Amino acid sequence: GAVVSQHPSRVICKSGTSVKIECRSLDFQATTMFWYRQFPKQSLMLMATSNEGSKATYEQGVEKDKFLINHASLTLSTLTVTSAHPEDSSFYICSARGTSGGPRAAQYFGPGTRLLVL
Amino acid sequence: AQSVAQPEDQVNVAEGNPLTVKCTYSVSGNPYLFWYVQYPNRGLQFLLKYITGDNLVKGSYGFEAEFNKSQTSFHLKKPSALVSDSALYFCAVRFLISGNTPLVFGKGTRLSVIA
Repeated sequence: GAVVSQHPSRVICKSGTSVKIECRSLDFQATTMFWYRQFPKQSLMLMATSNEGSKATYEQGVEKDKFLINHASLTLSTLTVTSAHPEDSSFYICSARGTSGGPRAAQYFGPGTRLLVL
Repeated sequence: AQSVAQPEDQVNVAEGNPLTVKCTYSVSGNPYLFWYVQYPNRGLQFLLKYITGDNLVKGSYGFEAEFNKSQTSFHLKKPSALVSDSALYFCAVRFLISGNTPLVFGKGTRLSVIA
């Protein structure tokens, strides 16, 4: 199956700093990428949907100025957590959907990035 | 509102016994239904999906799921559970039809298989 990578897999940062997480589709072109976050023992919550070359669409309650998403190419999307605070500590998972298959195109998930803000 | 529900937070089953993890959905129209598994500190692994066709879908690692339109359910099953099946299982729905609709996840069910 298709592979989606995320980097870094784990990051610890100080409060107030910014952290960038990369999501790459390794063997397919992703028209659309999704960013989810998962708190311990909870489900995945969609944060935003990004399409290559256009602005991301954020879910209600997600601050677009805090969680900056860039989808500059068909194989790369980045999520930047700006001025991170301890409450931003979470497991961030990206997902990519290919260009073929129309509405039935499969959605593949990255391995996740665990962010800990001290 | 369109949603997906997993009514059980935890399912315990003895090794070798059949297992069922429940999922129901609420949607107008025809959904695409998925099951994913998540091991500790890992991303999601795809198990199986229902798009159209046979109601019984077979997937990875011996899992299967049955789409029941009248009951709006898509329960995950396996005839004989293994200890290694212990993980967090998510049911997900994609409410068609535009190309950009994301997967919406249930809250997850933790499966514990006891030797």
